[in-house]
Amino acid sequence: ETGVTQSPTHLIKTRGQQVTLRCSSQSGHNTVSWYQQALGQGPQFIFQYYREEENGRGNFPPRFSGLQFPNYSSELNVNALELDDSALYLCASSPQGTGYNEQFFGPGTRLTVL
Amino acid sequence: QQQVKQSPQSLIVQKGGISIINCAYENTAFDYFPWYQQFPGKGPALLIAIRPDVSEKKEGRFTISFNKSAKQFSLHIMDSQPGDSATYFCAASGKGGSEKLVFGKGMKLTVNP
Repeated sequence: ETGVTQSPTHLIKTRGQQVTLRCSSQSGHNTVSWYQQALGQGPQFIFQYYREEENGRGNFPPRFSGLQFPNYSSELNVNALELDDSALYLCASSPQGTGYNEQFFGPGTRLTVL
Repeated sequence: QQQVKQSPQSLIVQKGGISIINCAYENTAFDYFPWYQQFPGKGPALLIAIRPDVSEKKEGRFTISFNKSAKQFSLHIMDSQPGDSATYFCAASGKGGSEKLVFGKGMKLTVNP
């Protein structure tokens, strides 16, 4: 069984640029959630995708957007990057409908905005 | 507004000791309480989780104690080992909707040999 994978591992961008992060969910999982983890903090929920539709969103501006594909993989897009967007971006997958909400995280993408 | 408050922020214990991490929550709609372990440069790994219909759950050296009336839950790590040195996060989520996880700020555990 393959776990959650994310790419790239690290990324350096400059302020104002756009970035796309990718996530492949764990086998058998149809729900993907994205979290932002600033240094020294707990992960903060960005949004969740279920069956290719956004299924809940945290307190993040519209320049944070996402997609889910038919194979349940997902992308996180961030436009007009700001310095404060520097963080570890985590993707988590879960088997929706079990009622247990066990979310399994990938290793993350470390984004640095200069 | 921090919905899940975690304490202490850091803890140092000796090998073989007991590590205790506490969390308090505000939202009574929460019905799932997991603990995650995170090593530097890695994503959080699910350790153990509990639902409010039980007061305690044990898996190996890890035990969750849950107090619904006080809206508190804690993680006990028995016989702590140097390999347990990591950051531990409590989290909570509610029924329906996106079931997003709300995390505490984390506790850095150091287990000295």
